[in-house]
Amino acid sequence: EVQLLESGGDLVQPGGSLRLSCVGSGFTFSNYDMSWVRQAAGEGLEWVSGITGSGGTSYYADSGEGRFTVSRDNSRNTLYLQMNSLRAEDTAVYYCTRGMTTPDYWGQGTLVTVSS
Amino acid sequence: DVVLTQSPLSLTVTLGQPASISCRSSQSLVSSGGNTYLNWFHQRPGQPPRRLIYTVSNWDSRVPDRFSGSGSDTDFTLKISRVEAEDVGVYYCMQGSHWPRTFGQGTKVEIK
Repeated sequence: EVQLLESGGDLVQPGGSLRLSCVGSGFTFSNYDMSWVRQAAGEGLEWVSGITGSGGTSYYADSGEGRFTVSRDNSRNTLYLQMNSLRAEDTAVYYCTRGMTTPDYWGQGTLVTVSS
Repeated sequence: DVVLTQSPLSLTVTLGQPASISCRSSQSLVSSGGNTYLNWFHQRPGQPPRRLIYTVSNWDSRVPDRFSGSGSDTDFTLKISRVEAEDVGVYYCMQGSHWPRTFGQGTKVEIK
């Protein structure tokens, strides 16, 4: 069974940093591109970032360009999202998804709150 | 960025009746490889989204076959043949043809 488990969400002050993790199981992790998608409370879905299976190429939405860095450790079946210079508008549930083109599995999400 | 516009934004349906949601794109979703990566997702309150349809009309086998997708280029439709109580929630279209990936605003479906 495919499972994605996010962690790392927390309350952080504006300007602070946070690293999210997502562990995948039930599939060959390195064979799949992965993405991060976020959702503010009561709002819609926003694609944040994606990375190819090898980790060689990454992509970002404008909202995170220059502040967020996506990476992966295929030996640990783990996807990461390093978020710096956090703003109040980054407050959201962050989902890890399998795939960048037709995401088929989603984790339960981890909550990031940016507030003083 | 590609803008996906869904309509209606809210839909109230009688149990057992059909429902239809439109998703229109600001530009063609035919990718450089020739595929059209338009997907549909359903999200129930407090749950992550789950994929219903991928690449316009391919049905995800984990969901009921009363869901179907159609369309081409910039104009796409999700249809529910007979709405059931478990179909309440928000439906999103998403394009995977261009960077950055983008979602529609969502369509909230309620049961009458």
